[in-house]
Amino acid sequence: AQSVAQPEDQVNVAEGNPLTVKCTYSVSGNPYLFWYVQYPNRGLQFLLKYITGDNLVKGSYGFEAEFNKSQTSFHLKKPSALVSDSALYFCAVRGGISNTGKLIFGQGTTLQVKP
Amino acid sequence: EAQVTQNPRYLITVTGKKLTVTCSQNMNHEYMSWYRQDPGLGLRQIYYSMNVEVTDKGDVPEGYKVSRKEKRNFPLILESPSPNQTSLYFCASSVGVGTEAFFGQGTRLTVV
Repeated sequence: AQSVAQPEDQVNVAEGNPLTVKCTYSVSGNPYLFWYVQYPNRGLQFLLKYITGDNLVKGSYGFEAEFNKSQTSFHLKKPSALVSDSALYFCAVRGGISNTGKLIFGQGTTLQVKP
Repeated sequence: EAQVTQNPRYLITVTGKKLTVTCSQNMNHEYMSWYRQDPGLGLRQIYYSMNVEVTDKGDVPEGYKVSRKEKRNFPLILESPSPNQTSLYFCASSVGVGTEAFFGQGTRLTVV
């Protein structure tokens, strides 16, 4: 069965420090991987995706993610955190053999950046 | 502005009273879907549609109906809402199955 795991419910980091939000996945075939961010009382906003190609993907707001096939991971990273990055982050995967387009989401990780 | 619009944003209703949550997108996307978000569970797909008049069940379809009579609209219908359908609902659309999804602002539904 396809699944996504975000092992940390919450990540705390000081402003200016690097941040990592972890994600591992399990799918059949080659995965399509996504990161979304949700601010309070807002919908989900797309940050970045990995479909194929370079394992390091750059996205919006200075975020990047590294695809690691052997570890089945797709961790979200940012070199220098901002207080405004505080939000709920979701990792999602779409199985390569899926023709339904369904996104499988992790349970979400709350990022708290403190001044 | 490219967007997915859901209405209403907030709704409190009573058990058994039929309701519809509307969803409309202005990007000419073929693929649309509905998700519900519950604490600790992430988002789970309720129904999806790959084109006009083509809909199918997601992971948690029980108690919900959808229709896709026009490309831009994909309403979610709760014929007889129950308290376990209290949740935050999101509509999403995408160009195709391999592309990123655009999400609406969400509808917070409370069934009492």
